[in-house]
Amino acid sequence: QVQLVQSGAEVKKPGASVKVSCKASGYTFIGYFIHWVRQAPGQGPEWMGWINPNTGDTNYAQKFQGRISMTRDTSITTVYMELSRLTSDDTAVYHCARIFCSSPSCYFDSWGQGTLVSVSS
Amino acid sequence: EIVLTQSPGTLSLSPGERATLSCRASQSVSSSYLAWYQVKPGQAPRLLIYGASNRATGIPDRFSGSGSGTDFTLTISRLEPEDFAVYYCQQFGSLPLTFGQGTKLEIK
Repeated sequence: QVQLVQSGAEVKKPGASVKVSCKASGYTFIGYFIHWVRQAPGQGPEWMGWINPNTGDTNYAQKFQGRISMTRDTSITTVYMELSRLTSDDTAVYHCARIFCSSPSCYFDSWGQGTLVSVSS
Repeated sequence: EIVLTQSPGTLSLSPGERATLSCRASQSVSSSYLAWYQVKPGQAPRLLIYGASNRATGIPDRFSGSGSGTDFTLTISRLEPEDFAVYYCQQFGSLPLTFGQGTKLEIK
């Protein structure tokens, strides 16, 4: 079955960077875009961007432009999301999610378990 | 950016009752690109409804979605104890993808 397994919780200081991994299994890795969504305490989910695992192409939400990077390693079917210049506002649970599109609909059909990133001095 | 506003923020009901959750968009969203998710503490979101009205695989038929344009609804016909959770709507119609702020369904 489709599985997305993320790396473990991280504690970072303000100004640092964090890199979260998301290992995919159970399907053809290069066939589906992976998105990243985060959820801060008490807030709704927030979309961060996507990566095309086949080509490495990315599209980031404007809010994160300049301090986010999504990459992939096809040899180990893993995507990464790196966020730099962290502040306390980046404290959140970060999820990767696979997008499935079957004309005419698209939706996130599988999610990683989430990675808690805590930013504190 | 399409803003999704969910109401009510919290809904207090008893098992067996009917729940009606609303999601209103700041501009029209194609029905094909509106989804609903259920989130429980410490768990990944679970897809309930896609294309505004299509139940995802394995979702009980007490869950139904409807709506078009800017107004969408998730209905749970008879609440089961496991249905008490937070529900989010999401639109895929345009970037950035956006979510509502959620409706917390709690036991009365």
